[in-house]
Amino acid sequence: QKEVEQDPGPLSVPEGAIVSLNCTYSNSAFQYFMWYRQYSRKGPELLMYTYSSGNKEDGRFTAQVDKSSKYISLFIRDSQPSDSATYLCAMSAYGNQFYFGTGTSLTVIP
Amino acid sequence: EAEVAQSPRYKITEKSQAVAFWCDPISGHATLYWYRQILGQGPELLVQFQDESVVDDSQLPKDRFSAERLKGVDSTLKIQPAELGDSAMYLCASSYGSRLGGTDTQYFGPGTRLTVL
Repeated sequence: QKEVEQDPGPLSVPEGAIVSLNCTYSNSAFQYFMWYRQYSRKGPELLMYTYSSGNKEDGRFTAQVDKSSKYISLFIRDSQPSDSATYLCAMSAYGNQFYFGTGTSLTVIP
Repeated sequence: EAEVAQSPRYKITEKSQAVAFWCDPISGHATLYWYRQILGQGPELLVQFQDESVVDDSQLPKDRFSAERLKGVDSTLKIQPAELGDSAMYLCASSYGSRLGGTDTQYFGPGTRLTVL
């Protein structure tokens, strides 16, 4: 079993829709949860960072962590064509090693 | 805004040839990472440096891959000889390097896309 599971999609939504992206994990030691956005042929860029359980909001983006269910989510409100990218979840325990999901490919249709 | 620099951005080579990738981390970042990302998958750590020292190279295929960070700043990843299965995106990331525990946000460069023919 992989440390981190993420549905690869692809996910296609109309502009303005609410998008929900999710990851599950098996290691209960994970405390730090990140979401990266990766445009085609580019490196991942950090989108959201959350410590432990709870919600974090940044503009149109909301990250949720449910440690009891080992489940994290990223919500995108009022999705835009410029949000079309691959979204990677990443997590780590004490220390620096990150474990990445496989990424979910998102297309927002104008 | 400071960025991680990588070169070349694209590399095409024939199998059995040697290739090298270069990374310049964000100034002041003590920790440097090399990842390999196969199309449709997440990045997988190859090697991690803390300053000039290797912290983790457990996933580095040492029979053909080598990495160095001699002065604790920029780094080079080498593959010799390249194999068809090495075709992937090679990503470099850097972070401040947390010595107090917790995690340490990693910032990625644009990557080098390697194609082995």
